[in-house]
Amino acid sequence: TQLLEQSPQFLSIQEGENLTVYCNSSSVFSSLQWYRQEPGEGPVLLVTVVTGGEVKKLKRLTFQFGDARKDSSLHITAAQPGDTGLYLCANTDKLIFGTGTRLQVFP
Amino acid sequence: EPEVTQTPSHQVTQMGQEVILRCVPISNHLYFYWYRQILGQKVEFLVSFYNNEISEKSEIFDDQFSVERPDGSNFTLKIRSTKLEDSAMYFCASSEGWLAGVAEQFFGPGTRLTVL
Repeated sequence: TQLLEQSPQFLSIQEGENLTVYCNSSSVFSSLQWYRQEPGEGPVLLVTVVTGGEVKKLKRLTFQFGDARKDSSLHITAAQPGDTGLYLCANTDKLIFGTGTRLQVFP
Repeated sequence: EPEVTQTPSHQVTQMGQEVILRCVPISNHLYFYWYRQILGQKVEFLVSFYNNEISEKSEIFDDQFSVERPDGSNFTLKIRSTKLEDSAMYFCASSEGWLAGVAEQFFGPGTRLTVL
């Protein structure tokens, strides 16, 4: 069974700071998705990456898929309080979610 | 914008009782899923459903669980005899296509199940 480990587990930062969240897998992803989940709600898809080395940008969020397709990162530039939430990576081909990174951005 | 809906938002039940969690997927979607998330833990896949039958299920989805699409709109998860460890947030999701084709999965707001 594929394991998806995310780091860090918790992250508390001030508004305006940059941060990077990592997702590492024990095996190769066919495709990887990143979700954000806010308290009391279901996860919402942010991006899907498919090709090794792929980089996708979504406003202040930059997603990178590792060349070997076993890891991914999410970089947020100039974090805002609205970025607060639980960030999840997922191999939805295998219907497996990562352990999650809980981000808190303070004004 | 179409969305997945779930009822009830919170269900409290006694251990050993049966519960039915209800979901209305997005109307043109063909694939349906149930996940659970124990408080503070990760999202765990339970079951996927397509063409009126289970397509995949996890080890968690044992004989006490069942799913049904009783009509053209509802998708239900039944837990026959609830245990304390079934307490969790249960999410329904749906997608237009199979996820291996990187179709987007839309999640409902969840049902919080509390087993006493």
